[in-house]
This record gives sequence, C-alpha cells and structure tokens, in this order.
Amino acid sequence: GNSVTQMEGPVTLSEEAFLTINCTYTATGYPSLFWYVQYPGEGLQLLLKATKADDKGSNKGFEATYRKETTSFHLEKGSVQVSDSAVYFCALSEYVSAGGADGLTFGKGTHLIIQP
Amino acid sequence: SQTIHQWPATLVQPVGSPLSLECTVEGTSNPNLYWYRQAAGRGLQLLFYSVGIGQISSEVPQNLSASRPQDRQFILSSKKLLLSDSGFYLCAWSGLFVTGELFFGEGSRLTVL
Repeated sequence: GNSVTQMEGPVTLSEEAFLTINCTYTATGYPSLFWYVQYPGEGLQLLLKATKADDKGSNKGFEATYRKETTSFHLEKGSVQVSDSAVYFCALSEYVSAGGADGLTFGKGTHLIIQP
Repeated sequence: SQTIHQWPATLVQPVGSPLSLECTVEGTSNPNLYWYRQAAGRGLQLLFYSVGIGQISSEVPQNLSASRPQDRQFILSSKKLLLSDSGFYLCAWSGLFVTGELFFGEGSRLTVL
C-alpha cells in the first residue's frame, strides 16, 4: 500500500534560518504529492503540490520538488519567520480513476517551531 | 469560490452521550466528502468517505457512523460516545477530475469526559 514518511520533530530553528523538512513516499503508481500546513487549532491548508516527476510546487516562499528517482518531496524555505511555526504534513494521492474517492495518505506531521 | 464549514467548533460531551458533527460545502456540486480524525499524536486517520448521497464507505470499524443526506452535507454521528472518541475531527472535500487534493474545514474539537 501507499505510505508517507516524514521527520516528526519538533524541529526548532531561529528566524531567518534555512528550512528543510524531509518527506519520502511509497506508491504503486504515479501519485500527486502535497504539503499541507496546520496552524494551532485550525484545519489543514494546502501549501503546495506537484503532480508529476520533476515538477516543483511553490507558495509563500516554500518549495518542494517531486523526485521520482528518490521517491522524495522535501519541503524547503530559504528564510523562515516566526509566523511559519505550525505542523506540516506531507501527503500523496493516487487516483486510480477519475472521481475515485481514495482520499490522501498523510505522513504523521512535522512540528516546526521558529524562535525570534 | 468553494467553501467548507463544519460545526460545532468545540464540543464537550459526557461518556455515553450522542454526537452529531455537521459539515457543508458550498460552491461546488457532487463533491467527494471525507471525515478524518486527528488524535493527540497529530496523525490523521481517515474515518469515512462518500462519493454521493447515501453512499458511505467506512475505513475503520469504530463507534462512529456517517451519513450524507444531501449532496453537500456530511454528518458524523455516534449513539454513545467513548473516552477514546476525543480528538480533532476534520471534514474535507475534493472535486472530480482534479489531481486529488483535499480542502479541509476548520475542524471540530471533541472532548469526551
């Protein structure tokens, strides 16, 4: 079956530091890959996505590149801010057919803490 | 644009009492709908999904049930809550012919005492 593995943390960084959160996946086909962010007490927000190999998703200074050869989708940001403190989830979707309701397979989440 | 709302946002219930959490989606038709639970360890567990009115698939046997009485309404219920039902419940929707991303509601925090 499908699975997603990511570092759980907490990951603590100083403001303006470089961020990398690792994510690797196992899938039988050709999944789409996602990063979601969850701020305290809130639902999940889609941060970025990539739908095929070598695609780069980007949003709000965050980037992740779909690496099929290493089955990875690492999240990076060049200079983090205190407001980036949140839990980050890596996820994949493998739609077998249009309209399939397979949902997403999530990693366990990485708690990121940015200190001023 | 599409929006998703769920309520109540916070709920404190005694063991053995019933539960009803509601979720509605606006701005789209025939969405796929999902209920997830997020326990204290932060992981997300898919509980139910639905591809249409009256069509419910359960992923995990448990004390909960789901119903979809209308196209854009999804309800999570229990007849008798257990302590282990405490958690953060998230409703989500996805469309057809897209790349599979889900869009989540604000979440409902349930505490069973």
